[in-house]
Amino acid sequence: EPEVTQTPSHQVTQMGQEVILRCVPISNHLYFYWYRQILGQKVEFLVSFYNNEISEKSEIFDDQFSVERPDGSNFTLKIRSTKLEDSAMYFCASTSTGSGYTFGSGTRLTVV
Amino acid sequence: KNEVEQSPQNLTAQEGEFITINCSYSVGISALHWLQQHPGGGIVSLFMLSSGKKKHGRLIATINIQEKHSSLHITASHPRDSAVYICAVQKTSYDKVIFGPGTSLSVIP
Repeated sequence: EPEVTQTPSHQVTQMGQEVILRCVPISNHLYFYWYRQILGQKVEFLVSFYNNEISEKSEIFDDQFSVERPDGSNFTLKIRSTKLEDSAMYFCASTSTGSGYTFGSGTRLTVV
Repeated sequence: KNEVEQSPQNLTAQEGEFITINCSYSVGISALHWLQQHPGGGIVSLFMLSSGKKKHGRLIATINIQEKHSSLHITASHPRDSAVYICAVQKTSYDKVIFGPGTSLSVIP
């Protein structure tokens, strides 16, 4: 069964550093999403992306965050200057017409 | 106010028991998802429903659109069913998913 692949599975970074989280959505999907889950809390929406542009973003998704689809397969989330409170599990998801909504296995980001 | 609520928050069951987890939501939706998450793990999609009932193995999901309510049932529960079960909704197709708080299930041998 097709999967959404996320790399790395775990990333540790120093506060203030930039991180890029990578996702490879299912190949024929057209709608892409990032979510995050702070430890012990529910999953929260960050941003949705369609047709090479952001279609919706939450208030969490401030100027520190950006998303990009640099080629036909990757979908990335960049955090420019990480803060301690950015420590969370980040999930990518994708969907398309007639397809289910598929989540990746997540990247655990730890900011120290 | 949370748009998606679940009950119970925590559930402990003996192996073999029939389990029900409930979800209620306050918005109009195009689809409702039941998801499973193991500790420290990724999110696995169990069901996507827009009406009626779906069954997969020992899992059954139902939805009542008029009452804005859904249930997830697990028959003949097993310790490997121990996980967090999350109800989530989409207001329209291709929309973001709005997550509930999850129900933490522990099945004891």
